[in-house]
Amino acid sequence: NAGVTQTPKFRVLKTGQSMTLLCAQDMNHEYMYWYRQDPGMGLRLIHYSVGEGTTAKGEVPDGYNVSRLKKQNFLLGLESAAPSQTSVYFCASSLTGLGGIYNEQFFGPGTRLTVL
Amino acid sequence: AQSVAQPEDQVNVAEGNPLTVKCTYSVSGNPYLFWYVQYPNRGLQFLLKYITGDNLVKGSYGFEAEFNKSQTSFHLKKPSALVSDSALYFCAVRVPPSGGGYNKLIFGAGTRLAVHP
Repeated sequence: NAGVTQTPKFRVLKTGQSMTLLCAQDMNHEYMYWYRQDPGMGLRLIHYSVGEGTTAKGEVPDGYNVSRLKKQNFLLGLESAAPSQTSVYFCASSLTGLGGIYNEQFFGPGTRLTVL
Repeated sequence: AQSVAQPEDQVNVAEGNPLTVKCTYSVSGNPYLFWYVQYPNRGLQFLLKYITGDNLVKGSYGFEAEFNKSQTSFHLKKPSALVSDSALYFCAVRVPPSGGGYNKLIFGAGTRLAVHP
């Protein structure tokens, strides 16, 4: 099993450019998440999905959009990148939600994004 | 306010000595508590969790954590540290939904563990 994979690993954008980050998992997990990690802070939830075709906003959703057209994939889009979106982005998945028994999250290796 | 705190930015310990990484929380209701580890340039890896039951939880790589309800703490411990344990450790707590919201995982800022030979 590859677990959770993310592409690309690194990306540099100019302000105003757009891009899509791809997350894929092969564990048949229902729940998927996008986080951002900034220095000195824990991870913050951007958006999440409780199943194919569903998405919902997390703590810091502004400036991002997501789609989950297939169960195994969860895409994060930046329509018009801003320097404040410079961060490391992590995708995660879990079999159940946080209220369930199998609620531990499995993380991808991250995407380091720099917006100039 | 619901939160999780890791009071130490860094913990230094000699190889072979016991280690403790501290975590305290503030959350309504019964807490679900987690520890994750992040090695350089890697994603977070699940170590252990407490949902209910025994206060002492055993996890991966010889780590364990003790849930203390009266002190609202969930400290991570290991009897004998290895150099390979050097990494960034995150404590996290589930915050239950309110007003039609969702279960949320709040992470601490992280504690860097440095184990010296």
